[in-house]
Amino acid sequence: GQQLNQSPQSMFIQEGEDVSMNCTSSSIFNTWLWYKQEPGEGPVLLIALYKAGELTSNGRLTAQFGITRKDSFLNISASIPSDVGIYFCAGQLSANAGKSTFGDGTTLTVKP
Amino acid sequence: GAVVSQHPSWVICKSGTSVKIECRSLDFQATTMFWYRQFPKQSLMLMATSNEGSKATYEQGVEKDKFLINHASLTLSTLTVTSAHPEDSSFYICSGSPGDYGYTFGSGTRLTVV
Repeated sequence: GQQLNQSPQSMFIQEGEDVSMNCTSSSIFNTWLWYKQEPGEGPVLLIALYKAGELTSNGRLTAQFGITRKDSFLNISASIPSDVGIYFCAGQLSANAGKSTFGDGTTLTVKP
Repeated sequence: GAVVSQHPSWVICKSGTSVKIECRSLDFQATTMFWYRQFPKQSLMLMATSNEGSKATYEQGVEKDKFLINHASLTLSTLTVTSAHPEDSSFYICSGSPGDYGYTFGSGTRLTVV
């Protein structure tokens, strides 16, 4: 089956620093999604990407859909303590239906 | 925004009993919902696709007789863990799509089987 390789597995950063994480796949996805999950909660959608090459921002978050459709990255600028959580990438073959394949997550810790 | 309400948020049950988890789409109709299982510090593993008015589609390795899924209406899908055992203890999460891209997740159910 399809697999997503998400890196890094974890990050420990100082408040104010920028963060970058990425996902790569051996196969093509037509939609890339980035979620954040906090302890004991379900994932919350941060950014959705629908076109190869697309660069989308949501506040301090920026994500890009790789040209090859096999990768995506998420950047967080000027991190704050509430950015702490697990960030998951997910790929979908279909844009508005169908199941998602999730990466293994990046655990972010922000030190004040 | 689209909201998926999942209940209960946590449940402790005795080994051998059955537990039902509900997911309701509060402000949209969901012909399809997805059920995931998540172990501590691991990613979400898709268990099954719940289809309104028809049988669920289970992922390889997931026992359909153990994890019963019912999607009787466009706003309600249920997952019943039958004859639960300690190894079934996990975090179960559902998701549905309001029709836009991406999915809305429920808040999850922490199941502990003792």
